Amino acid sequence: NAGVMQNPRHLVRRRGQEARLRCSPMKGHSHVYWYRQLPEEGLKFMVYLQKENIIDESGMPKERFSAEFPKEGPSILRIQQVVRGDSAAYFCASSPEEHEQYFGPGTRLTVT
Amino acid sequence: AQRVTQPEKLLSVFKGAPVELKCNYSYSGSPELFWYVQYSRQRLQLLLRHISRESIKGFTADLNKGETSFHLKKPFAQEEDSAMYYCALRNQGGKLIFGQGTELSVKP
Repeated sequence: NAGVMQNPRHLVRRRGQEARLRCSPMKGHSHVYWYRQLPEEGLKFMVYLQKENIIDESGMPKERFSAEFPKEGPSILRIQQVVRGDSAAYFCASSPEEHEQYFGPGTRLTVT
Repeated sequence: AQRVTQPEKLLSVFKGAPVELKCNYSYSGSPELFWYVQYSRQRLQLLLRHISRESIKGFTADLNKGETSFHLKKPFAQEEDSAMYYCALRNQGGKLIFGQGTELSVKP
């Protein structure tokens, strides 16, 4: 069973562009979580999704950020019109029901 | 407020010395607490969870509800223990609340 996959591992975007981060959960896992780690800080929860449903988006910035977990395919975290402050490592985790979360390797977003 | 605090950003010890990484939490209700470890260039992985009361790689952690602490301990540190350690609390909604992390450096 392959672990949680995230791609790309590194993403560079200019200010104003869109960033799309993908997360493929482990096989059999229907719960996906996204976390963001800003420089020198711990991981902060962003959003919790199940297939086709957003369960908790209390950690998502109100504007420019959106997430989805469609019936088929990976979960996508989308950031529109990126700004320098969006530069961070974005981690995805998956779990089968509400159990231990398994983390992906992260996507490091750099906004220039 | 739900919060996890790791007061030490960096902890440096010599090989064979005891190590204790501190973690305090704030949570109304029964917390579920974890320690995650991230070795260099690897993904975050679960080290310990308080409900299982196990010892992994010589590490143990005891939940102290009176002191709202979940400190991670190891009697004799090894060089391969050098890594980032994160204490985390899972709330009823399922999300994890992380501390800021402690970098453990074990010197030969």
